[in-house]
Order: sequence, then C-alpha cells, then structure tokens
Amino acid sequence: NAGVTQTPKFRILKIGQSMTLQCTQDMNHNYMYWYRQDPGMGLKLIYYSVGAGITDKGEVPNGYNVSRSTTEDFPLRLELAAPSQTSVYFCASSYSIRAAGGSPLHFGNGTRLTVT
Amino acid sequence: GQQLNQSPQSMFIQEGEDVSMNCTSSSIFNTWLWYKQEPGEGPVLLIALYKAGELTSNGRLTAQFGITRKDSFLNISASIPSDVGIYFCAGQLWGGSQGNLIFGKGTKLSVKP
Repeated sequence: NAGVTQTPKFRILKIGQSMTLQCTQDMNHNYMYWYRQDPGMGLKLIYYSVGAGITDKGEVPNGYNVSRSTTEDFPLRLELAAPSQTSVYFCASSYSIRAAGGSPLHFGNGTRLTVT
Repeated sequence: GQQLNQSPQSMFIQEGEDVSMNCTSSSIFNTWLWYKQEPGEGPVLLIALYKAGELTSNGRLTAQFGITRKDSFLNISASIPSDVGIYFCAGQLWGGSQGNLIFGKGTKLSVKP
C-alpha cells in the first residue's frame, strides 16, 4: 500500500530556475494538500485541493502554483525559485476535509529543496 | 495568523522515563491531533481527539482534549529509544476544515538508552 508518494526526495535549484514537485496518492482521497516545513517551525499550508479541477490557497501560497487534473495527482510548481523557498515540502491527502470522524491527513515522505 | 504554543521545544530523557508535552491556543478547536515525525519521513498520526475532555490512549501514549477546547497534552510512558522524533500537535478550528489545520512547532524528543 503506497499511500502518498512524493518525488524527487532531494533537489538543488539555482535562483530563478523552475521545477515541479510531484505528488500522487493511491487511496482515492478527494482532498490533497501541500505543506512546507522550515527548521524549528510547524507545517505551513501552501495550497490544497478538494477534488479534481478545484484548488485553493493556503497560508503561504506566494511563489507557488498547483493543478489537480486527476484525483491521484497534485503537483506543486515553483516558477522562479528563490532562497526563501528552501524548505522541506510535504504532500498530504485525506478522505474528508474535516479531521473529525477519523479522516486525518496522510503525509508523504517529503521533498528537501535547496535554492542557492 | 493563528498560532499554537507547543512546549517544551525539546526534551532529553533517559530510557524508561515518562514524557509530557502540551499545546495551548487562544482559539477554540474542535479537533486536536498528535503526529510523530521521524528523520527523513513525513508526520504520522498518533492520536486524534474529537471531544472536549476526551482522554485517548494508543499503547504507551495518552492524549487529552482540554475542557476549555484550547489545549491538549500528550504523555508517553516508559520511553524507549524508538520514541525519538519530533512530536507535533495540530488543531482544527471550530467550524474550520483541514485546509485550516494549525500545527505547533514541535517537541523534539531524544531518548538516552
């Protein structure tokens, strides 16, 4: 049971480069999320999606874009990488938008991104 | 934005000791979640709490949803080396969604054999 799979695991970008972080889940969850985790900080929500074709901004969306063409995939795009985007990025999915009722987030193992 | 105050920031304990950590907020939550993150991996859910006053156990772990709905604690009894990791609390605001989950900054636990 793969759960949430993220690729790549590590990446180094130069300032101004672009890249796409991939995320796929095989649990048929409608809801998917992208978080970033900075050292010593909690997770901050970048974007989330409630279903194919629907996305919405989270707390820190600037500098990122997302798309949701299928239920399984939720890629995160960085168009012009900046040093402030150096972080660990986590994708997550859930059965429901409500944490109550036994529908917590399932996380991938993260992508560690360094922008220099 | 909303913040959760999680303490302590880090703990260094001896194997066999009990551990206690907590989270507090100025806002009311309808759900509290406790996650553990091991190096190189994503957070994994340990315990979910859905009712004020609820006390829930998962093996050696026990967590409680505060009566005021503004706090939660996690206890680990008889710690072992594999308990090492970062423990995060997360809260869902009353009327909110997982798009509004707020995470604490984490408690880093180190266990000396």
